[in-house]
Amino acid sequence: AQKITQTQPGMFVQEKEAVTLDCTYDTSDQSYGLFWYKQPSSGEMIFLIYQGSYDEQNATEGRYSLNFQKARKSANLVISASQLGDSAMYFCAMSLTGTASKLTFGTGTRLQVTL
Amino acid sequence: GAVVSQHPSWVICKSGTSVKIECRSLDFQATTMFWYRQFPKQSLMLMATSNEGSKATYEQGVEKDKFLINHASLTLSTLTVTSAHPEDSSFYICSAGPHIAKNIQYFGAGTRLSVL
Repeated sequence: AQKITQTQPGMFVQEKEAVTLDCTYDTSDQSYGLFWYKQPSSGEMIFLIYQGSYDEQNATEGRYSLNFQKARKSANLVISASQLGDSAMYFCAMSLTGTASKLTFGTGTRLQVTL
Repeated sequence: GAVVSQHPSWVICKSGTSVKIECRSLDFQATTMFWYRQFPKQSLMLMATSNEGSKATYEQGVEKDKFLINHASLTLSTLTVTSAHPEDSSFYICSAGPHIAKNIQYFGAGTRLSVL
């Protein structure tokens, strides 16, 4: 079974600053994917970034980057140059690769961007 | 990214009635779709995996007869909440993904169900 742990229930960051959201995972499988989703107050889940377990380089998507440390089983999300619109709930998730398998989510981190 | 449409976005119904929620993949075919439930300030809880042309696979503790799932085509899955009660009030959200290998799932906008 897979498990995702997000230890930061809430985070504050000033506009234009960078912020790191922590995520650790646990699995006995070797082939898996790690994901980050953003959930604004409207409720929709927005896919941000993906990292495969065999990917040697950290994933980046615009202002989002995933700091993947396999030995530590961590997959932290780094948001650079924070914007007010980044205020939302952020969920880390994982699944096994190769099949359309279910996502296991963490409890989420609420990010608040301040002026 | 891929587009998943979910309808309705908000529904209010009387206790005892049934409510149908639709989830459509608009620009890709999805052999598998997923249905989640989310309580306020909590994470997503997987309810069931919807497989095109076959029966859904329900997670432990989810009542199959209460939450009917149909996946009749590669672009449409429906969740019907039967004989709804106030405790069924929640946020329901579906997902699907065109990338089987990576399993990147794209989500619908969700449905807020209020049962009076």
